[in-house]
Amino acid sequence: ETGVTQTPRHLVMGMTNKKSLKCEQHLGHNAMYWYKQSAKKPLELMFVYNFKEQTENNSVPSRFSPECPNSSHLFLHLHTLQPEDSALYLCASRRQVDQPQHFGDGTRLSIL
Amino acid sequence: GENVEQHPSTLSVQEGDSAVIKCTYSDSASNYFPWYKQELGKRPQLIIDIRSNVGEKKDQRIAVTLNKTAKHFSLHITETQPEDSAVYFCAATKNSGGSNYKLTFGKGTLLTVNP
Repeated sequence: ETGVTQTPRHLVMGMTNKKSLKCEQHLGHNAMYWYKQSAKKPLELMFVYNFKEQTENNSVPSRFSPECPNSSHLFLHLHTLQPEDSALYLCASRRQVDQPQHFGDGTRLSIL
Repeated sequence: GENVEQHPSTLSVQEGDSAVIKCTYSDSASNYFPWYKQELGKRPQLIIDIRSNVGEKKDQRIAVTLNKTAKHFSLHITETQPEDSAVYFCAATKNSGGSNYKLTFGKGTLLTVNP
């Protein structure tokens, strides 16, 4: 049990669909993150939320829209995605800066 | 911003041998350095971390060393076993400035332990 739960675990969608990824943590952490991990590529940081405020947007296309309603929940809203967006999307959380990030199991996203 | 370089990108060793993965960082203010292991199809998991006030930390077969002057840190795995086969990521961060919640990752090292 990681303490960080992501749903769904797998998602297949067409390029015109709209879907959302959900991340939930009950570890009392203050920061939450979205990462993209493609085959044979490093972890790509997408967004950082610190106490519900977005502190980082790593030049992510607008077809990805994050939402952080509270410090325990993080969403990634998807619309009109492209085939190259197929990847593993990982959520992570952290209590404070010199503490490790805890990752969820990820959502495997496939764009048709 | 911080830049973390990780080498090698792939590493193959025989079971029982030692494995060493090296990372360098650019920001001298970085003061926290975790290492993550990611098995195929699974999430990254923290295996060991080190803070800038120590030079070495050990946990059973795994050790991490930090050289602040040279700005590099290394992961050492002794007596490797097939279950050590995975991708290993190093990372660095600092607790000051606007990016104090951002962890910068290296590109990963695929370690293969041959039985």
